[in-house]
Amino acid sequence: GQNIDQPTEMTATEGAIVQINCTYQTSGFNGLFWYQQHAGEAPTFLSYNVLDGLEEKGRFSSFLSRSKGYSYLLLKELQMKDSASYLCAVTDSNYQLIWGAGTKLIIKP
Amino acid sequence: GAGVSQSPRYKVAKRGQDVALRCDPISGHVSLFWYQQALGQGPEFLTYFQNEAQLDKSGLPSDRFFAERPEGSVSTLKIQRTQQEDSAVYLCASSLAPTGANTGELFFGEGSRLTVL
Repeated sequence: GQNIDQPTEMTATEGAIVQINCTYQTSGFNGLFWYQQHAGEAPTFLSYNVLDGLEEKGRFSSFLSRSKGYSYLLLKELQMKDSASYLCAVTDSNYQLIWGAGTKLIIKP
Repeated sequence: GAGVSQSPRYKVAKRGQDVALRCDPISGHVSLFWYQQALGQGPEFLTYFQNEAQLDKSGLPSDRFFAERPEGSVSTLKIQRTQQEDSAVYLCASSLAPTGANTGELFFGEGSRLTVL
């Protein structure tokens, strides 16, 4: 079966750095997305990785290792507004998006 | 409009009622997806349209669920004889390109929260 695993919840301190991991097992791979979802709101796009390596975009970076079926989202200089759920999603060989359950990130002052 | 618009935002239905949820995607977007999201979970795929063609409906949980996009723009998700387990947020997302052409970013609507009593 197809599976996306990510931690259920993480806690971090304002101003710090946090890394949210995602491992996947899918039938084929055509890219990995990270989305941010605030409570009661729509998911919004953060990043897309299809090749191995690190993609940096401001305070957020995303890393991919296809051989390990592994990705992480790195958030630097955490702000209170970063409190949200972070969803990992993988596009399989049929170009269907398989979603993880999301990681709820709690930022404390 | 500038983004994906869904209505109603909130719907309360009595068990056995039929409901219709509307999605107005970003103008010109070819791909349209419906997802079901339970509390604390990621979105679960329901169905996919490329323009007016429903190319994948493998995620629809039962024959009580029906979706259409007759003119390749606005889409409606209809749920007949609602059950309590249908209570969830129904998300619509659109993408400029057809899937397979590229794995472009999805733009989500705010969702329709359905509560079946």
